[in-house]
Amino acid sequence: DQQVKQNSPSLSVQEGRISILNCDYTNSMFDYFLWYKKYPAEGPTFLISISSIKDKNEDGRFTVFLNKSAKHLSLHIVPSQPGDSAVYFCAASANYNQGGKLIFGQGTELSVKP
Amino acid sequence: ETGVTQSPTHLIKTRGQQVTLRCSSQSGHNTVSWYQQALGQGPQFIFQYYREEENGRGNFPPRFSGLQFPNYSSELNVNALELDDSALYLCASSLDLARMETQYFGPGTRLLVL
Repeated sequence: DQQVKQNSPSLSVQEGRISILNCDYTNSMFDYFLWYKKYPAEGPTFLISISSIKDKNEDGRFTVFLNKSAKHLSLHIVPSQPGDSAVYFCAASANYNQGGKLIFGQGTELSVKP
Repeated sequence: ETGVTQSPTHLIKTRGQQVTLRCSSQSGHNTVSWYQQALGQGPQFIFQYYREEENGRGNFPPRFSGLQFPNYSSELNVNALELDDSALYLCASSLDLARMETQYFGPGTRLLVL
């Protein structure tokens, strides 16, 4: 069973525009959500996170929105830059700060065109 | 800056063989998690070690086993390899169970089973 789903395998955006990556989850016990970016031949790199007690978290060009009633989160990147081209994974966890395991989505490959 | 290293980077094995993958955690990190990432999928949690003890396991058979050493380096062992074990194996270390947001991933070991 896929508890975390990223239904768009790929997304192409023009430089300077907004990129919106979406993620849905099914487990209401998840209390922490994270986004990772992955370049080829590298491990995933932490990007931004949000606790289930919040509905928005911002860090520079990156904003994550959480809609608990819809069990949906999204990552907004604005403005998008060519260096943002990578695979983005959303991940969720229950009891994350007691070592809870991460459940990852399948990933969305973002391509930002100059 | 991530200091997690993994060896080897690539490996080819045949069905039925055994393999050992190694992970050197970032200095001071006492928690390590292992993930399997099949092609086109997100990473799947295999197990986690905290201070040399297993602290959680995903849906993987017992032929997947691990060790964490006193210096907090770690091994993943897979016995009786199957074709479906072909994947990228990632380890991730963190300072502590309570500091999982500081989890850093290594670049992975790509295993091909023929």
